Amino acid sequence: QVQLQESGPGLVKPSQTLSLTCTVSGGSINSGGYYWSWIRQRPGKGLEWIGYIYYSGSTYYNPSLQSLASISIDTSNNQFSLRLSSVTAADTAVYYCARWGMAATAFDYWGQGTPLTVSS
Amino acid sequence: DIQMTQSPSSLSASVGDRVTITCQASQGITNSLNWYQQKPGKAPKLLISDAYNLETGVPSRFSGSGSGTEFTFTISSLQPEDIATYYCQHYHDLPITFGQGTRLEIK
Repeated sequence: QVQLQESGPGLVKPSQTLSLTCTVSGGSINSGGYYWSWIRQRPGKGLEWIGYIYYSGSTYYNPSLQSLASISIDTSNNQFSLRLSSVTAADTAVYYCARWGMAATAFDYWGQGTPLTVSS
Repeated sequence: DIQMTQSPSSLSASVGDRVTITCQASQGITNSLNWYQQKPGKAPKLLISDAYNLETGVPSRFSGSGSGTEFTFTISSLQPEDIATYYCQHYHDLPITFGQGTRLEIK
């Protein structure tokens, strides 16, 4: 059973860079066939896809993030990470990592989510 | 970007009722649509993929239909454990986008 677990600082100051990590267990991030994704949910709002990465390092981002997002992958530790630069209060959200299955064509496994607050 | 519009945004129904949620895409997406259930404080859970394929282990009272721009999600007989917010999501092209959600409550 694949499991994903997010980790992050919980609180970031405005204009700083946010860094979150997702650790994958129960399966290899290197196996192919999946895109490893970040999705966020602002307070009381819906879901916003941030982007995803393939094990080869190929990345795809939501243009709404205006190039402020960067996703990387560490296959040796079975992890992938999100960096979001120049954060503002509007980036306060619960951040989820999720697996996009190319065969399933859906987000089939999700982490529990990690809350992030941007505040001075 | 393809916009996904769900209706209604909230819904109150009684146990045993038939519940229907619609999702409209701003352009044709063939059957490139998924439905998720999110309970408070939890991550979304995939219920239906490719507009009508029920995921393994999901109760058969849940179903989906539609193609092109109009999609429907149905609970044939509402159960208390179905209280949640439901989201549609397209994958026709990038960026992937979600509907704004439908909050389902028990009357």
